[in-house]
Amino acid sequence: DADVTQTPRNRITKTGKRIMLECSQTKGHDRMYWYRQDPGLGLRLIYYSFDVKDINKGEISDGYSVSRQAQAKFSLSLESAIPNQTALYFCATSVAGPTHNEQFFGPGTRLTVL
Amino acid sequence: GQNIDQPTEMTATEGAIVQINCTYQTSGFNGLFWYQQHAGEAPTFLSYNVLDGLEEKGRFSSFLSRSKGYSYLLLKELQMKDSASYLCALIGTNAGKSTFGDGTTLTVKP
Repeated sequence: DADVTQTPRNRITKTGKRIMLECSQTKGHDRMYWYRQDPGLGLRLIYYSFDVKDINKGEISDGYSVSRQAQAKFSLSLESAIPNQTALYFCATSVAGPTHNEQFFGPGTRLTVL
Repeated sequence: GQNIDQPTEMTATEGAIVQINCTYQTSGFNGLFWYQQHAGEAPTFLSYNVLDGLEEKGRFSSFLSRSKGYSYLLLKELQMKDSASYLCALIGTNAGKSTFGDGTTLTVKP
């Protein structure tokens, strides 16, 4: 089945370490997104990409960077992890177009920064 | 901005009907989505409204009134498995970029 996958699913790291979270999709969607979710809160957009050459900041991009290596791959990096980046991270994809472009989410990566 | 407000928690009884409200303040948007999210899992798409009115999809319906800045999700014949968080999200005029509310945690009791 066409799917959105994320690796790793869980990660514990220390303050100051560089971390990369990876997302792959077999849906053939052009658009990809990275969100973080904190307990009891909704999803906040970190970065999004509408195609391979397009990268855009979301509402909380500070401390993060991304790379769109191919249509199917979108990775998120934390250059120097800090404890308040402890969260559940979701990758999502959608088709292009002005309407009815619901997002399909990966299973999430639970990141803990000590 | 696109401030989105939802009740934090709701409780309902198995077999009953529940309405989850979402209000927003925004200068413009292309559509409004509802997603379901079980604890620790990924959100999954439930419904989408572009025009004012009711969209029905089995036990789930969603309503939008753009003039009132208001949407609701209606769940009928509640089942225990409907216990989850329900997220309201707006697709901005920069289509594809979504803003999510904090979600409403619904608990269905026997």
